[in-house]
Parts: sequence; C-alpha cells; structure tokens
Amino acid sequence: SYVLTQPPSVSVAPGKTARITCGGNNIGSKSVHWYQQKPGQAPVLVIYYDSDRPSGIPERFSGSNSGNTATLTISRVEAGDEADYYCQVWDSSSDHAVFGGGTQLTVL
Amino acid sequence: EVQLVESGGGLVQPGGSLRLSCAASGFTFSSYWMSWVRQAPGKGLEWVANIKQDGSEKYYVDSVKGRFTISRDNAKNSLYLQMNSLRAEDTAVYYCARVRGYCSSTSCRYYFDYWGQGTLVTVSS
Repeated sequence: SYVLTQPPSVSVAPGKTARITCGGNNIGSKSVHWYQQKPGQAPVLVIYYDSDRPSGIPERFSGSNSGNTATLTISRVEAGDEADYYCQVWDSSSDHAVFGGGTQLTVL
Repeated sequence: EVQLVESGGGLVQPGGSLRLSCAASGFTFSSYWMSWVRQAPGKGLEWVANIKQDGSEKYYVDSVKGRFTISRDNAKNSLYLQMNSLRAEDTAVYYCARVRGYCSSTSCRYYFDYWGQGTLVTVSS
C-alpha cells in the first residue's frame, strides 16, 4: 500500500516561514491535500489539489508537489498556526485514502 | 452552512457492536460521496470507509473489512457506520467527512472538505 512520510515535528519562530514535507513514491503524480488539526478539534482542510486554498484559509498557506515530495509552506507564521498537519492522497490502486503520520508544528 | 454531527459513540466491550450516525445538513447530501475517518488517542488520522452517493459502491480499510459496514439514508440525510466484533485497537474518535474530488480514466483525486466534530468509541472490558 502507498505510504506517506512526514517529519514528526517542525519548529519555527513567529514571523518566519515553516515548511512541512510529505514524502511518497512519485507523489508528484498524485494530488496532495493538507489538513490542520488543533488539540481537541476536528481536522480542517487548508490545501487541496497540491496548492489550492479553500475559502477562509489565509494566503500565508501554500502548497507544492513535485517528484517524491510535497510541501506545505506557512509564511509569516503566527502563534495560532500551532497545530498538527496531515497530508493525504487517494491511492487509486487500492481505492483507499492515505494520510501521512502528521507533523506537529511548534511556534517558538 | 455545512454541518456534520456524529453520534452513537460510547464504551463497548471487546467483541461487541456499536452503530455510529452522522446527521448532515446545509448541502445536498445525496450528491456527495461520504467517509468515516478515525483517530486513535494520541495518534494520526486513519481513513476507515467511503460510500458512493447512491450507496452502490463502498470501500474499506483492510483492518475493518468484514467487521464494519458503511451505509447511508439519503432521505434522512444520514450516514452510518455499523461496527461489529470490536477490538481494543478500534478505540478512536470517529469523524464523518464529506468527500470532494474527481476520477479520471487513470486515477482518483479525492479529499475531505468538511468534517464533523467526532464521536469517541472506547473498546474496553
């Protein structure tokens, strides 16, 4: 089955740029979606189709996908961005949704 | 406003059964694939099952095949998850989620645009 690999944690100072990676075999051929989850809350979609933002998501959130790595970039990080972030793809070979293990973003 | 409200969670003994419900509102429920996604305590997200708009197609993660059944009632705008032969490893918050995306001739590109608040299922003696 398809596997997505994320770093367990990323730390960044306020106002700086955070980059969270999601690795997978030829992931550039798939569409990658990203979710933000704060403690005790349901996940929220922040990026879909690699780089599209749902309405209400700040422009500070952006995404890219190429080769074997997709990246969620958060510019001008704020304290309120502190959360767990998950990448997700649809594995058509098994008709399964696949999530990465999640990355905890800490704002220093 | 899209709303998904889960119910039916609780404490159940190993080997027992539970039926989760998800009440949908604010959109045309019958027009969307729907999913269940779960999250064990302190762990990441795990997709559980999908169901097509008319219920004619259903897909499951291998660990629940033969034990869980996803279903829907479009007249009641409701999604269900019947869980049988429950195990300790099924302990999790279960989320109902709306599916968006599309399929081409070679692949599908689905994602989850709205999620419920979740319902906790605890399997323990």
